[in-house]
Amino acid sequence: GAVVSQHPSRVICKSGTSVKIECRSLDFQATTMFWYRQFPKKSLMLMATSNEGSKATYEQGVEKDKFLINHASLTLSTLTVTSAHPEDSSFYICSARETTKDTQYFGPGTRLTVL
Amino acid sequence: SQELEQSPQSLIVQEGKNLTINCTSSKTLYGLYWYKQKYGEGLIFLMMLQKGGEEKSHEKITAKLDEKKQQSSLHITASQPSHAGIYLCGADKGFDRLAFGKGNQVVVIP
Repeated sequence: GAVVSQHPSRVICKSGTSVKIECRSLDFQATTMFWYRQFPKKSLMLMATSNEGSKATYEQGVEKDKFLINHASLTLSTLTVTSAHPEDSSFYICSARETTKDTQYFGPGTRLTVL
Repeated sequence: SQELEQSPQSLIVQEGKNLTINCTSSKTLYGLYWYKQKYGEGLIFLMMLQKGGEEKSHEKITAKLDEKKQQSSLHITASQPSHAGIYLCGADKGFDRLAFGKGNQVVVIP
């Protein structure tokens, strides 16, 4: 199957700092990527749709100035958590849609801990 | 908003036994995805169903979407320890955005 990678896999940062997470589709191009967050033992919650070459579309209740998304190329989307606080600690997972197979593949996730 | 209910929440089976888990939607499903996740890891794509009555199989896993397209079941034949994990169903809520259920946790005892 198609491969989606995320970097870093784990990050610990101090409160007030910003953290950037990368999501890459390794063997296909993705005009659309998605960002989710998952709390312990909870399901995934869609945060936003990342569109290559245009602005991201955020789900209701997600602060766009808090979670900055950039999709600069057909294989890379980045999520920046700005001025992180402990409540932003979570597991962030991205997915990319492979058009030819009409399905979504997920990355391995990034564990963010804000101290 | 579309809600997905997965049952049972958790399931413990003996290795070699069959098991079935279910995903029920509050609205018609226009695309239903099954993924498997191990705690703290990403999601592994299993299958996607779109048509009412559709059934797909991969190795020992079979997934069905009912005719009314509001319920899907996933059946594992002769379960193995490698089948242990959390199974998530996801529904396309438009523009390929997925809404997920809370998952079925499967434990396989050797």
